[in-house]
Amino acid sequence: EVQLVESGGGLVQPGGSLRLSCAASGFTFSTYWMSWVRQAPGKGLEWVANIKQDGSEKYYVDSVKGRFTISRDNAKNSLYLQMNNLRAEDTALYYCARDRSIFGVWGQGTTVTVSS
Amino acid sequence: SYELTQPPSVSVSPGQTARITCSGDALPKKYAYWYQQKSGQAPVLVIYEDSKRPSGIPERFSGSSSGTMATLTISGAQVEDEADYYCFSTDSSGNLWVFGGGTKLTVL
Repeated sequence: EVQLVESGGGLVQPGGSLRLSCAASGFTFSTYWMSWVRQAPGKGLEWVANIKQDGSEKYYVDSVKGRFTISRDNAKNSLYLQMNNLRAEDTALYYCARDRSIFGVWGQGTTVTVSS
Repeated sequence: SYELTQPPSVSVSPGQTARITCSGDALPKKYAYWYQQKSGQAPVLVIYEDSKRPSGIPERFSGSSSGTMATLTISGAQVEDEADYYCFSTDSSGNLWVFGGGTKLTVL
């Protein structure tokens, strides 16, 4: 079964850090771009970042540049999002998704809450 | 930064045709993708590359694009089509991606 499972979310204070993980199974992970998409409570979808198959290209939405880092480990079939200097406006459900535009596979999401 | 603009809401009666628009300056040269999100669920791709329908998506869903506007059409909308719909595309560089603000479709 093709599956993405996110983990690593939680409650963190402003200025803190979290590392999200996304475990992939059921498909050849190393052949796909991968993406992170988030959704703040009651709000719309927001593309956050994506990464090329070999990790050589990475792109970010302006609001997270310099604070978030996307990475992957193809040997472990895993995608990551290192989030530093978190702000209240980063509070959201974070999804990982397969590909960079044709998101045919989504995880169930992991919740990040930034609050003091 | 690049933006895609959608109407906040569209309302139709069951069996009518619903049209949801998405405007963006780069759409003449970049594909649009459409996602359906029902309450409490992850999004589902319903149209990709302007007009292609993934397997398993009902034929009543179709897409088109002309100039700076892409359109998702649901012909003969059903109650179960009630959801938020998001267009998705990239800017002229092809590297930065954005979702539209979303359109809440009501079928009643």
